[in-house]
Amino acid sequence: DSGVTQTPKHLITATGQRVTLRCSPRSGDLSVYWYQQSLDQGLQFLIQYYNGEERAKGNILERFSAQQFPDLHSELNLSSLELGDSALYFCASSAGVSYNEQFFGPGTRLTVL
Amino acid sequence: ELKVEQNPLFLSMQEGKNYTIYCNYSTTSDRLYWYRQDPGKSLESLFVLLSNGAVKQEGRLMASLDTKARLSTLHITAAVHDLSATYFCAVDPKSMNYGGSQGNLIFGKGTKLSVKP
Repeated sequence: DSGVTQTPKHLITATGQRVTLRCSPRSGDLSVYWYQQSLDQGLQFLIQYYNGEERAKGNILERFSAQQFPDLHSELNLSSLELGDSALYFCASSAGVSYNEQFFGPGTRLTVL
Repeated sequence: ELKVEQNPLFLSMQEGKNYTIYCNYSTTSDRLYWYRQDPGKSLESLFVLLSNGAVKQEGRLMASLDTKARLSTLHITAAVHDLSATYFCAVDPKSMNYGGSQGNLIFGKGTKLSVKP
């Protein structure tokens, strides 16, 4: 158990819908990262927050957004969902802004029908 | 484009045999990670390699890093069935702007290892 928690574990929804994925980092960690894992794209970095501020952006679609709250938990919002958004979404956390080992949560499996 | 290439992508081994997984990367980095993932599960951190020449060992797994060659290896000694999983290497690239870590990780496609009795 890495200490990173994610909810829900599974999510099944329809195309065009909007969902919110939630992540709580390890105690004391200030950075939260979101990654998407799919069969065709592999593991891709989406976005990083550090102490409430966006720090780095990767291959995140405009339909997706995230934020980190004052209690350091983070939410990833996915809207206008398409079939291709079906994937495993991981949250990871680390102590600092960079050069820190990242610890991964259990993931949320999103299925878009 | 920053690339991290692993090979092989699929590896079927017999128990007791040795093998090496290779991880080549195209960007400047002095920090590389190896993770293990079981089917449907999260990523478990195996090794953190922090400098050129770093070598770390845990049980039947040994990882090394050559930053000049931009190459890391994960060596498996006397494989056992419990090692069956997918292994990922991930690079923490240096920022082109300020030379420090970018923070995010770039992953290879993973090596799916199957160890058979």
